[in-house]
Amino acid sequence: GQQLNQSPQSMFIQEGEDVSMNCTSSSIFNTWLWYKQDPGEGPVLLIALYKAGELTSNGRLTAQFGITRKDSFLNISASIPSDVGIYFCAVGLGGSGNTGKLIFGQGTTLQVKP
Amino acid sequence: DADVTQTPRNRITKTGKRIMLECSQTKGHDRMYWYRQDPGLGLRLIYYSFDVKDINKGEISDGYSVSRQAQAKFSLSLESAIPNQTALYFCATSLGDRAADTQYFGPGTRLTVL
Repeated sequence: GQQLNQSPQSMFIQEGEDVSMNCTSSSIFNTWLWYKQDPGEGPVLLIALYKAGELTSNGRLTAQFGITRKDSFLNISASIPSDVGIYFCAVGLGGSGNTGKLIFGQGTTLQVKP
Repeated sequence: DADVTQTPRNRITKTGKRIMLECSQTKGHDRMYWYRQDPGLGLRLIYYSFDVKDINKGEISDGYSVSRQAQAKFSLSLESAIPNQTALYFCATSLGDRAADTQYFGPGTRLTVL
């Protein structure tokens, strides 16, 4: 089946460091999303990307939709302790019969050392 | 108040028992989804519903059933629970247009099957 590959699987960084994670697929997708899951909570949407090549920022977060439509990256600048959590990429399947359905990557677990 | 609520938040049950997980939303969204989360596997879609009369199987529907009693309520049932159904279960909603890709998650139900 369709699959997203996120890397790295986990990261342990020092507060203040920048973070980069990415998500790749063997298939083309027209919508890429990044979610964050805080411990004990459900995922929350961070950034949505709808156009190939699009670069979007949300505070210290920046995400890009790859020009090939097969990848996306998420950067976090100047990390702080509350950045801790699991970051998921997701793609919208789109197309007839699939509208509204998402596929999620396996997640990148981020830990920040104060 | 939370827009998407799930009950119970935690449940421990025994193999063979019937279990129902409830989801309610006050967002007024037509589309609702049930996912399960397992460590290292991300979120996988169990069932989804685009309106009260619509029920669709997701990626891993075997062993589960759902009921969409009203626009605001979507229940997930395990007819005869088994240990490998131990997981974190999330309900989600979306609006039903292009923003359908933006899904809003509940806080999750942690289910343990002994």
